[in-house]
Amino acid sequence: EDQVTQSPEALRLQEGESSSLNCSYTVSGLRGLFWYRQDPGKGPEFLFTLYSAGEEKEKERLKATLTKKESFLHITAPKPEDSATYLCAVRMTGTASKLTFGTGTRLQVTL
Amino acid sequence: EAGVTQFPSHSVIEKGQTVTLRCDPISGHDNLYWYRRVMGKEIKFLLHFVKESKQDESGMPNNRFLAERTGGTYSTLKVQPAELEDSGVYFCASSFSGRETQYFGPGTRLLVL
Repeated sequence: EDQVTQSPEALRLQEGESSSLNCSYTVSGLRGLFWYRQDPGKGPEFLFTLYSAGEEKEKERLKATLTKKESFLHITAPKPEDSATYLCAVRMTGTASKLTFGTGTRLQVTL
Repeated sequence: EAGVTQFPSHSVIEKGQTVTLRCDPISGHDNLYWYRRVMGKEIKFLLHFVKESKQDESGMPNNRFLAERTGGTYSTLKVQPAELEDSGVYFCASSFSGRETQYFGPGTRLLVL
């Protein structure tokens, strides 16, 4: 069965303290891996799509990387406004377009 | 450009009642998806429309849930009769045909008492 596991469940960082979030997946065939950010009471906000091992995408303080078994979301010198839940989702090869989500990592960045 | 909108933002109903959720996708998006997050669990897929046709409804939990997409524009998700376990946040997402990225709405928070 397709599975997406995110770790850690929660992470507390001080402002400027870089770290990485992990998303490991077991799917029969990966068509795409997606990172979303979700703020409390809001819907997931799209960040990145990664398609193949070795691919990297960057946006401000965030950088997403992909291997054959996992993806990392690296946060460099985070600020309090980066506090949110970060969700990872995968889309399998084949005709189905649905996304399979992990449970997310709750990130808190303090001053 | 307006994003995906959902109505209502919150709904509190009693067990056995009916609730209808609405989703307006981003203009021009042929693909419309419904997802649900129940307490403490991950977001899970319910179904996928391409225009007005149901492409995949493998995630619909049972026949108390009915989804429609009138004229390939907005969509409704009706729960009838609602049960306690239907409580959660219902998200709608949309995408262009041929594009992978799904854009999500703010969700409808449903509480069944």
